[in-house]
Amino acid sequence: AQKVTQAQTEISVVEKEDVTLDCVYETRDTTYYLFWYKQPPSGELVFLIRRNSFDEQNEISGRYSWNFQKSTSSFNFTITASQVVDSAVYFCALSEARRGYQKVTFGIGTKLQVIP
Amino acid sequence: GAGVSQSPSNKVTEKGKDVELRCDPISGHTALYWYRQSLGQGLEFLIYFQGNSAPDKSGLPSDRFSAERTGGSVSTLTIQRTQQEDSAVYLCASSLAQGGQPQHFGDGTRLSIL
Repeated sequence: AQKVTQAQTEISVVEKEDVTLDCVYETRDTTYYLFWYKQPPSGELVFLIRRNSFDEQNEISGRYSWNFQKSTSSFNFTITASQVVDSAVYFCALSEARRGYQKVTFGIGTKLQVIP
Repeated sequence: GAGVSQSPSNKVTEKGKDVELRCDPISGHTALYWYRQSLGQGLEFLIYFQGNSAPDKSGLPSDRFSAERTGGSVSTLTIQRTQQEDSAVYLCASSLAQGGQPQHFGDGTRLSIL
């Protein structure tokens, strides 16, 4: 069975601080995909990034960076120099890679509040 | 191009009534998912359709909940004899079939049971 754990339910930071959102996953599959989604107060979930299990390179996109470590089954998300617009709920997700079947398991989400 | 469309955006109904929620996925997306999100909570998986395969209904919370997908496109989630605990936002998402494809979400239907 798959499981995604986001231990931080709520985080508050002051604008311009760096913040890391943790994600730990469990799966028996050797091939799988990991995702991060953002849900701003307006409600619509937006895809941020995808990683497959064979690619452990870290990725940076502007102020966002992701650290994937298979050894610790973690896929953490860091926002550098946070801004008020980063305030949202962030979900980590895991999907199997079986042919023709892609059920996705979401974590419970981490609510990030960036205080001006 | 058009994204995932859900209707209605808001639904208020009395306890005991049946409701139907509609999801129109992105054209060409063969995978379609329904989730429920209660206030301040995460995403609760309800059901997953993939092409012509039998749907994965393992997340439906009771037999009052059902869903169908006609012609591999539009999906309807039906809740019979609604209860107050059914109040939530119901989210639909679609994706391409290949492994690892990201999901595209609709804006959701906010369901309130009086």
